[in-house]
Amino acid sequence: GQNIDQPTEMTATEGAIVQINCTYQTSGFNGLFWYQQHAGEAPTFLSYNVLDGLEEKGRFSSFLSRSKGYSYLLLKELQMKDSASYLCAARNDYKLSFGAGTTVTVRA
Amino acid sequence: GAVVSQHPSWVICKSGTSVKIECRSLDFQATTMFWYRQFPKQSLMLMATSNEGSKATYEQGVEKDKFLINHASLTLSTLTVTSAHPEDSSFYICSAEQASGKGDTQYFGPGTRLTVL
Repeated sequence: GQNIDQPTEMTATEGAIVQINCTYQTSGFNGLFWYQQHAGEAPTFLSYNVLDGLEEKGRFSSFLSRSKGYSYLLLKELQMKDSASYLCAARNDYKLSFGAGTTVTVRA
Repeated sequence: GAVVSQHPSWVICKSGTSVKIECRSLDFQATTMFWYRQFPKQSLMLMATSNEGSKATYEQGVEKDKFLINHASLTLSTLTVTSAHPEDSSFYICSAEQASGKGDTQYFGPGTRLTVL
């Protein structure tokens, strides 16, 4: 089976940096995804890692270590609109298994 | 690019009726679409995988006779909740998979909130 763990909640100040960690255990792993979900809305795609290392996309970066079963999403220069739930999802074969999500609250 | 629509966005129905939800990939063809269910403050749970022209693959514990899935074309999949009951009230979200150079990525529709009275 799949086991995806991420913190439940994080709070940070506008302009700051926040790192959301995710650990996973899954057979047949072939990719790690991060999605953003605002309350009552569907998830939107943020990033995808399949090889070890850091992928940078504007204010958001994602890192993967396959040997450690570990990923993180880094949010820089936080804005109020970044307040949302961030979902880590590991893919095995063709299916995504989602973590419970990390609710990030950005305060002024 | 990679836009997925879902219709309706919300629906309220009486217990015992059936509800059909449509999922369309608007600007790409998707051989594979997925149906998820999300209860309040919980993560997405995969219900089934829908492949164009073939029968859907259901996850363990999901009743295939209750949740009928049809994937008639490369841009349309439908989920029909048959004989809906209050416990079926949930947020149903579809996704369509788009192949890319880095691997296939799922893009999600806006979701359908179902309330069964």
